[in-house]
Amino acid sequence: KNQVEQSPQSLIILEGKNCTLQCNYTVSPFSNLRWYKQDTGRGPVSLTIMTFSENTKSNGRYTATLDADTKQSSLHITASQLSDSASYICVVSARSSASKIIFGSGTRLSIRP
Amino acid sequence: DSGVTQTPKHLITATGQRVTLRCSPRSGDLSVYWYQQSLDQGLQFLIQYYNGEERAKGNILERFSAQQFPDLHSELNLSSLELGDSALYFCASSGSGVGSNQPQHFGDGTRLSIL
Repeated sequence: KNQVEQSPQSLIILEGKNCTLQCNYTVSPFSNLRWYKQDTGRGPVSLTIMTFSENTKSNGRYTATLDADTKQSSLHITASQLSDSASYICVVSARSSASKIIFGSGTRLSIRP
Repeated sequence: DSGVTQTPKHLITATGQRVTLRCSPRSGDLSVYWYQQSLDQGLQFLIQYYNGEERAKGNILERFSAQQFPDLHSELNLSSLELGDSALYFCASSGSGVGSNQPQHFGDGTRLSIL
């Protein structure tokens, strides 16, 4: 069964600290993995997109990694800011079949001053 | 601002009714995706259109249908509404290239409440 599991479910850290969010998937055949940031009541915003051959991609203070062998991805946030408080969603797509777009349930991140 | 416009922002209706949600994609984007986000099931892919043609189907119910018009705007039609259809419905658009590796840009959604 195609699944995407994220951990932790929620996380609270102090402003300025780093954190890492995890995503494990079983979607096959793999096409790409995306990380989105979703503020409450808003649409998701794309952070990174990685294909099979990419193992690291950065977008400012966000760095995503992908291990296609173990089917694991992580999103590392450096020097967190209050505006980083949001849900972070991992999404995996299957190759040649857009109907297989599987969403993780997200990690709710709260940054405390 | 993602450049994707969804209307209306909020919609309240009763069970058994039919509603139409509208999406205007970013200028130049040919692909439109529809998603449903509910509290108990999270985000789910419903359907994709590319340049007016249906490209892929996800977990879309038979009571739901969509279309993409020549001007590339899209509509999602929901009929025989049930309480469980209450959710946020998002539209996203992506660039002109074919394939799933394009970044998707999401609108801010239509919040549908069924009473």
